Amino acid sequence: NAGVIQTPRHKVTGKGQEATLWCEPISGHSAVFWYRQTIVQGLEFLTYFRNQAPIDDSGMPKERFSAQMPNQSHSTLKIQSTQPQDSAVYLCASSPRTGGALAEQFFGPGTRLTVL
Amino acid sequence: GDSVTQTEGPVTVSESESLIINCTYSATSIAYPNLFWYVRYPGEGLQLLLKVITAGQKGSSRGFEATYNKETTSFHLQKASVQESDSAVYYCALGRRNYNQGKLIFGQGTKLSIKP
Repeated sequence: NAGVIQTPRHKVTGKGQEATLWCEPISGHSAVFWYRQTIVQGLEFLTYFRNQAPIDDSGMPKERFSAQMPNQSHSTLKIQSTQPQDSAVYLCASSPRTGGALAEQFFGPGTRLTVL
Repeated sequence: GDSVTQTEGPVTVSESESLIINCTYSATSIAYPNLFWYVRYPGEGLQLLLKVITAGQKGSSRGFEATYNKETTSFHLQKASVQESDSAVYYCALGRRNYNQGKLIFGQGTKLSIKP
């Protein structure tokens, strides 16, 4: 079991450029979550999918951020026109089921995004 | 809204001494929250340490314990005798029990260092 895989591990972009972050969940897991971690805001929920369908995007910034899960083996988080305040570690997690009594999430190593 | 507050770090404890990391939560929109402690060891990803889904019950793992106290809305993490290998960042988190609400709300994290 390789765990949750995130690529790239580090990404540096210039202000105004686009950044796409990839996540491969653990095989067989039905839920995928995206979180963002900064020193100021801590660990914040962004969005999640269950069985590839978007369920809750209440944490996503209204502009420039989008997430997709085109198949059960990967999800992407896209940030258009990146800004310095988007600099953060973006974490992806997967879970064999959502909510309920066994809502354990398995986290990937994260992608550190730096916007210059 | 829902939130989690934990002991502000960094915390330094001598090896073999006892430890408590405080965690209190506010779950105004969650009737029956699930409570979790996650840990990030140096160089590793975030991983589940223990979880409790029923008020009044205690969870334990790797010598750590935490009791879900609904009256005081607390979920403090304790260990009777810490080891150097316990040096890590600890996060308290709460989640919903509803199947469609899988997101976790994290505290700010507490960095723990153990003095040999």
